[in-house]
Amino acid sequence: DTGVSQNPRHKITKRGQNVTFRCDPISEHNRLYWYRQTLGQGPEFLTYFQNEAQLEKSRLLSDRFSAERPKGSFSTLEIQRTEQGDSAMYLCASSGTRSNQPQHFGDGTRLSIL
Amino acid sequence: GENVEQHPSTLSVQEGDSAVIKCTYSDSASNYFPWYKQELGKRPQLIIDIRSNVGEKKDQRIAVTLNKTAKHFSLHITETQPEDSAVYFCAAIRTPESGGSNYKLTFGKGTLLTVNP
Repeated sequence: DTGVSQNPRHKITKRGQNVTFRCDPISEHNRLYWYRQTLGQGPEFLTYFQNEAQLEKSRLLSDRFSAERPKGSFSTLEIQRTEQGDSAMYLCASSGTRSNQPQHFGDGTRLSIL
Repeated sequence: GENVEQHPSTLSVQEGDSAVIKCTYSDSASNYFPWYKQELGKRPQLIIDIRSNVGEKKDQRIAVTLNKTAKHFSLHITETQPEDSAVYFCAAIRTPESGGSNYKLTFGKGTLLTVNP
C-alpha cells in the first residue's frame, strides 16, 4: 500500500497524559499536512510542512501541540497535557510539489481522552 | 481567511436519482476546489477536483461546476447507487500561485448523502 499511513489508528488516554502520533506520507510527496476532524465537521487545518520546514501553524495549534518532520519524510504530532477538548480524529495528508497537487489523506488517528 | 459554506447538510435520494451538493466560498482568489468522499470511519478520498480556469469537469457519473463570479461550486452525482452513500466534503484553497500563504484546505461542514435502494 503506497498511500498515507498513520499510527496508531486509535489512542485512548487519560487527561493530562502526553500522546504522539506518526504519519508516513506517500513517498514522493514533499508536502505534509495535519488536520483535526471532530464529529459532524469537516477537517480543520493544523499545520503544514514542505520537506522538513514547518511553514504554517493554525491558531488551533496551542503551545501544547508540536509537530516535527525531521528528515522531510515521516512526521510526528505530539500533544502534551491532553485535555477533553483534544478528543478528535487527527488526519494527515500529503501532496506533491507541483501547483494545485491534490492532497491525499491517511485513515487518521482517533484520540479519546478519558 | 477563507470560509466555505456547504448545503444541504443531509440529502436522501432514491437509487437512480441525481444528487446535487452546493458550496459557496468567500475568497475570490481561491483557485482550486476538491471534493472528498468519506465513508464512516475511513479516510476522506478525493473524488473530483476543479481549478479556477475551468467551468465544469466530469468523471463518469460525477461532475463539478464552478461559477467564479458567484463564488459557488457544485457536485453532481447522476444515477446514484447505494455505495454512493457517504459524507461528502467540498473544500477551497488559495495557493501561493494565487497569492495565498500556504496550501491549507478550508472544508465545508459536509453533506450526508443517503441513497435508498
